[in-house]
Amino acid sequence: EIVLTQSPGTLSLSPGERATLSCRASQSIDRSYLGWYKQKPGQPPRLLLYAASSRATDIPDRISGSGSGTDFTLTISRLEPEDFAVYYCQHYGDSPWTFGQGTKVEIK
Amino acid sequence: VQLVQSGAEVKKPGASVKVSCKASGYTFTAYYIHWVRQAPGQGLEWMGRINPDSGDIDSAQNLQGRVILTTDTSANTAYMQLNSLTSDDTAVYYCASLTRSLYISGWDIWDHWGQGTQVTVSS
Repeated sequence: EIVLTQSPGTLSLSPGERATLSCRASQSIDRSYLGWYKQKPGQPPRLLLYAASSRATDIPDRISGSGSGTDFTLTISRLEPEDFAVYYCQHYGDSPWTFGQGTKVEIK
Repeated sequence: VQLVQSGAEVKKPGASVKVSCKASGYTFTAYYIHWVRQAPGQGLEWMGRINPDSGDIDSAQNLQGRVILTTDTSANTAYMQLNSLTSDDTAVYYCASLTRSLYISGWDIWDHWGQGTQVTVSS
């Protein structure tokens, strides 16, 4: 099973600032099988990125992803009010699918 | 596309719960149905998936033996039954119709979630 570890646990930033979120896998994975979700309170998760860097439908280009092997990054170039949420990385493909424990991006 | 889940449940320790997930707006048998749960204030935990077409099932190792995934293709509905409940099973349970398939022509990405079902286990 691939274990995903996200850091930091919480990121306190102001609107307009840049957010950089990290996801580290317990072993090297094909970047094609790494995605990112965003979740707001009381809502189901929403897919942001798949294949490490490909944006899902209607995801703005201020959100980008990078990485390979064991280290992956989600970057939000300029935080908008709607970006304050919890973000999860996800490994998919073969079973089991796994999630990181999440990074909360909160308003400073 | 909609996935509509059944309502909140309150169960006693040791009991079982069965959550339903009715799909509409797409071909139900085309995509796996996944189940994901989220304990209060915690992250997302993948529970398992079922192929509505073939009936193939994968489930998380820590839940094997307690979770039963089924579908009724005539009703476009998936079910998740969890047995021998404990307080640690208190969570919001989500169904999701998900696929990530890479073809020569590119990716097929399908990602639709139900609204979630609160399951509370309490004596």
